[in-house]
Amino acid sequence: DAGVTQTPRHEVAEKGQTIILKCEPVSGHNDLFWYRQTKIQGLELLSYFRSKSLMEDGGAFKDRFKAEMLNSSFSTLKIQPTEPKDSAVYLCASSLAGENTLYFGAGTRLSVL
Amino acid sequence: GDQVEQSPSALSLHEGTGSALRCNFTTTMRAVQWFRKNSRGSLINLFYLASGTKENGRLKSAFDSKERYSTLHIRDAQLEDSGTYFCAAEASNYQLIWGSGTKLIIKP
Repeated sequence: DAGVTQTPRHEVAEKGQTIILKCEPVSGHNDLFWYRQTKIQGLELLSYFRSKSLMEDGGAFKDRFKAEMLNSSFSTLKIQPTEPKDSAVYLCASSLAGENTLYFGAGTRLSVL
Repeated sequence: GDQVEQSPSALSLHEGTGSALRCNFTTTMRAVQWFRKNSRGSLINLFYLASGTKENGRLKSAFDSKERYSTLHIRDAQLEDSGTYFCAAEASNYQLIWGSGTKLIIKP
């Protein structure tokens, strides 16, 4: 079984660029999460979808972060424009609706210069 | 590939009691983190360890890279401790490898 697939694994961007991160959840999962991980903040929720509907949009991240889920098997996270403070690992996770077990992708390591 | 085995998958405790969660690794890991998932879906960072032990209130965690395991001890459990706990190990290539989670229920 395929787990959660995230691409790219690494992304380097210059300040002000637009980048798009991609995620394919586990087939059949209803819930999809985007998190940002930094050593200082730990894991911060960016967006949460249930059955393609946006449930949480991580208030502090509304400004330049936009997650979309156009179909049940694919989601994107757009950061526009990027800033150096956005450098972090971005994780996508999926689960069955109501289940507490999250399946995580390997993450995308973003570096903004 | 590298694996993280987290146990137990579910745990029920009475208030005031304690127990331990464990993650075993199939290979040497650089560090380990422990998280609790809250009702909003956020993962709260509990501990980050590159070695040794750390304690914070009623929680204590240990990481032994050589023996390939980490533990999270909870003592004097309270109702608000209920939730799902995850460990995540940092592999030598800095990739995060996640445990499958432990659903903890605290009963009055």
